[in-house]
Amino acid sequence: NAGVTQTPKFRILKIGQSMTLQCAQDMNHNYMYWYRQDPGMGLKLIYYSVGAGITDKGEVPNGYNVSRSTTEDFPLRLELAAPSQTSVYFCATSSGRGRNLTQYFGPGTRLTVL
Amino acid sequence: GENVEQHPSTLSVQEGDSAVIKCTYSDSASNYFPWYKQELGKRPQLIIDIRSNVGEKKDQRIAVTLNKTAKHFSLHITETQPEDSAVYFCAFTGGGNKLTFGTGTQLKVEL
Repeated sequence: NAGVTQTPKFRILKIGQSMTLQCAQDMNHNYMYWYRQDPGMGLKLIYYSVGAGITDKGEVPNGYNVSRSTTEDFPLRLELAAPSQTSVYFCATSSGRGRNLTQYFGPGTRLTVL
Repeated sequence: GENVEQHPSTLSVQEGDSAVIKCTYSDSASNYFPWYKQELGKRPQLIIDIRSNVGEKKDQRIAVTLNKTAKHFSLHITETQPEDSAVYFCAFTGGGNKLTFGTGTQLKVEL
């Protein structure tokens, strides 16, 4: 099992460009999350999903969009990249079943906007 | 909104000593309190967690204590080793599965 995978690992964007960060999981987890981690800081929730077709905003959703058409995939879209979006982006999943609340993180995508 | 305060922001200990990191949370409905370890350039990884119906949990050299009345929980690492050097994050969740993370503690274990 690959667990939680993210692509790309690194990306440099110019201001105003768009891109999609990919996240995939083979753990059959219902819940998926996108976080950003700025240098020396904690993780802030951007968007999350409790199942296919259902998404909701987290703490810092502005400038981002998500979709969840399948259980396995949860892409994060940046439409007009800004320098403030320079960060490391982590995708995470959790079972969403019973009392299992553990979140499992992907390896991250390091994004720089110049 | 929900928030959590984590202290200290940096902690330096001698190898073999104990380390304690404390977090205070705001949501009295919180029922799940995990701790994550993040090594430089790596993803956060769960090291221990505790639920609101338990006051203490231990796993080898790592323990977590929870004081629901005071709304704080702490991570205790005994007999620290150089490989314990990392950033540690506390987190909590109330209703649903959303986690709120602390700002992190940089632990350095010196030889």
